[in-house]
Amino acid sequence: SYVLTQPPSVSVAPGQTARISCGGNNIATKSVHWYHQKPGQAPLLVVYDDRDRPSGIPERFSGSNSGNTATLTISRVEAGDEADYFCQVWDSSSDHWLFGGGTKLTVL
Amino acid sequence: EVQLVESGGGLVQPGGSLRLSCAASGFIVSSNYMSWVRQAPGKGLEWVSAMFDGGSTKYADSVKGRFTISRHSSKNTLFLEMNSLRAEDTAVYYCARLSSSYAFDIWGQGTLVTVSS
Repeated sequence: SYVLTQPPSVSVAPGQTARISCGGNNIATKSVHWYHQKPGQAPLLVVYDDRDRPSGIPERFSGSNSGNTATLTISRVEAGDEADYFCQVWDSSSDHWLFGGGTKLTVL
Repeated sequence: EVQLVESGGGLVQPGGSLRLSCAASGFIVSSNYMSWVRQAPGKGLEWVSAMFDGGSTKYADSVKGRFTISRHSSKNTLFLEMNSLRAEDTAVYYCARLSSSYAFDIWGQGTLVTVSS
C-alpha cells in the first residue's frame, strides 16, 4: 500500500523559512494537500492541490511537488505557526485517503 | 457560515456500539462528498469513511464491516454508526467535507470516543 513519509520534527528560528517534506513513490503524480493542527484544535487545510491556498491562508504558506517528494514551505515563520503539519493524498489504487505521520514544527 | 458540529461521542465498553452525528450548516451535505477522520490520542490522522453525493460509500480496512456511514438529507446531517468497538477505535472523530480534489476542506471540532471496560 502507498505510504507517505514525513520527518517527525522540524525546528526553525522566527523569521526564517521552514520546509516540511512528504515522501512517497512518484508522489508528483498525485495531488498533495497539507494541514496544520494546533493542540486541542481540529486540522486546518493550508495548501491543496500541491500549491494552492484556501481563502484566508497567508501567502507565507506555499507548496511544491516533484519526483518522490512534496514540500510545504513556510516563509518568515512566526511563533503562531508552531503546530503539527500533515500531508495527505488520495490513493487511486486502494481508493483510500492517506495521511503522512505528521511533522511537529517548533519555532525556536 | 460553513460549519460542522459533531456529537455522540462518549465512553463505551469493548464490543459496544455508538452513533456519531455531524450537523452541517452553510452547505448541503447530500450535495457534497463527506468523510470521517479519526485521531487516536497523541497519534496522527487516519481516514475512516467517506460518502459521495450519489450515496456510494467507502471504508478504511480497519473499520470495514463494523462501521456504517449514512446521512439524513432533511436534517442536513452525516452519521457514523460504530459497532463491535475495540480499544484501538479510541480516538477523536472528526467529520470533514471533501473538496472536488479530495482534500478535507472543512472540519468539525471533533468528538471523543473512548472504548474501555
